[in-house]
Amino acid sequence: NAGVTQTPKFQVLKTGQSMTLQCAQDMNHEYMSWYRQDPGMGLRLIHYSVGAGITDQGEVPNGYNVSRSTTEDFPLRLLSAAPSQTSVYFCASTLRAERNTEAFFGQGTRLTVV
Amino acid sequence: KNQVEQSPQSLIILEGKNCTLQCNYTVSPFSNLRWYKQDTGRGPVSLTIMTFSENTKSNGRYTATLDADTKQSSLHITASQLSDSASYICVVSYFYSGTYKYIFGTGTRLKVLA
Repeated sequence: NAGVTQTPKFQVLKTGQSMTLQCAQDMNHEYMSWYRQDPGMGLRLIHYSVGAGITDQGEVPNGYNVSRSTTEDFPLRLLSAAPSQTSVYFCASTLRAERNTEAFFGQGTRLTVV
Repeated sequence: KNQVEQSPQSLIILEGKNCTLQCNYTVSPFSNLRWYKQDTGRGPVSLTIMTFSENTKSNGRYTATLDADTKQSSLHITASQLSDSASYICVVSYFYSGTYKYIFGTGTRLKVLA
């Protein structure tokens, strides 16, 4: 049981490049989400999914796409990287989108866009 | 506006000492309040989850309190250890538009010195 696994751990992109951040969980959780963490700010929700085939936008979705073709995987795609997307990205999962379920976070992906 | 504010921003204490971290929120309608510990370079790990009716919840040397009337929470760390050095994040959730939303505080960075 690996929990939530994110890859890569570090990435440097040039402005305009695209890439996919991978997130996988092996706990059969329905709810998965992507956050970004910037200095001096709390984690902010980018996109989330309440189950396979269902995704929705969070607080800061612009410039990112997601899909949820399986329960286990929830990749985050940067369409055309910009320096403003330099951040640490965290994927999280919970069993269900219910009130008191515990959230499990991945180790994070540190992305730098130059 | 839904907000979560934490204080102090950073804190340095000696090993073995106790400390208390504060969290004030203006989130409505309140669902629950969570405390997370985030080690440097790692994802947040859940410490406690408290609902409206819970005043105190403990997890080992960590004790969280909640005053729903004043919208304040605190995290008390007893007999601190070097491994307690981390950021502590307060998260308040609310129910909106069919799903639960989460507001993250910016965290308190704790440094425990030998």
